Amino acid sequence: EPEVTQTPSHQVTQMGQEVILRCVPISNHLYFYWYRQILGQKVEFLVSFYNNEISEKSEIFDDQFSVERPDGSNFTLKIRSTKLEDSAMYFCASSVGLAGWDEQFFGPGTRLTVL
Amino acid sequence: DAKTTQPNSMESNEEEPVHLPCNHSTISGTDYIHWYRQLPSQGPEYVIHGLTSNVNNRMASLAIAEDRKSSTLILHRATLRDAAVYYCILSQRVGTGNQFYFGTGTSLTVIP
Repeated sequence: EPEVTQTPSHQVTQMGQEVILRCVPISNHLYFYWYRQILGQKVEFLVSFYNNEISEKSEIFDDQFSVERPDGSNFTLKIRSTKLEDSAMYFCASSVGLAGWDEQFFGPGTRLTVL
Repeated sequence: DAKTTQPNSMESNEEEPVHLPCNHSTISGTDYIHWYRQLPSQGPEYVIHGLTSNVNNRMASLAIAEDRKSSTLILHRATLRDAAVYYCILSQRVGTGNQFYFGTGTSLTVIP
């Protein structure tokens, strides 16, 4: 069964450093998403991406964040200068379409720890 | 963003049915109701979704109130593997995106 994969599973970085989180969505999916989950809190939407453009972004997704689809398979989230409060699980998701009934498939997540 | 309200936690005995409620009084006519669950240390996974009519699949059933302001996820026979946080989500299409707005979810404990 096709699945969304994410690398690395755990990333430790120093405050102020840049990190890139990588995702490989399901191959025939066209819509891509990033969510984050701070420990013990709910899953929060960050950004959606379609046709090489950001479709929507939340207020969390400020200028420190960027997303890219550098090739036909990868989808990345970059945090330019990490802060302590960026420590969280980051989930990538993808869907075939964006109809209300379309299921989003989530990856296993990357745990980001900022020291 | 659309809001859903769920109990923080519920318990069920193994092999018994579980009814997980969700209130979504601000639902709009085009919003779909999705249920996802998150097992420990994993990403959310799809359980079921519906619009107006009750839905069944191999994992669960979804009962939707006639006014659509509430719904109930039904696990017919809880197993230990069903212990997870269950999220009721309204799927809102915004522009060219279809964001999921998660609530705090219900943490289901299954007692052997």
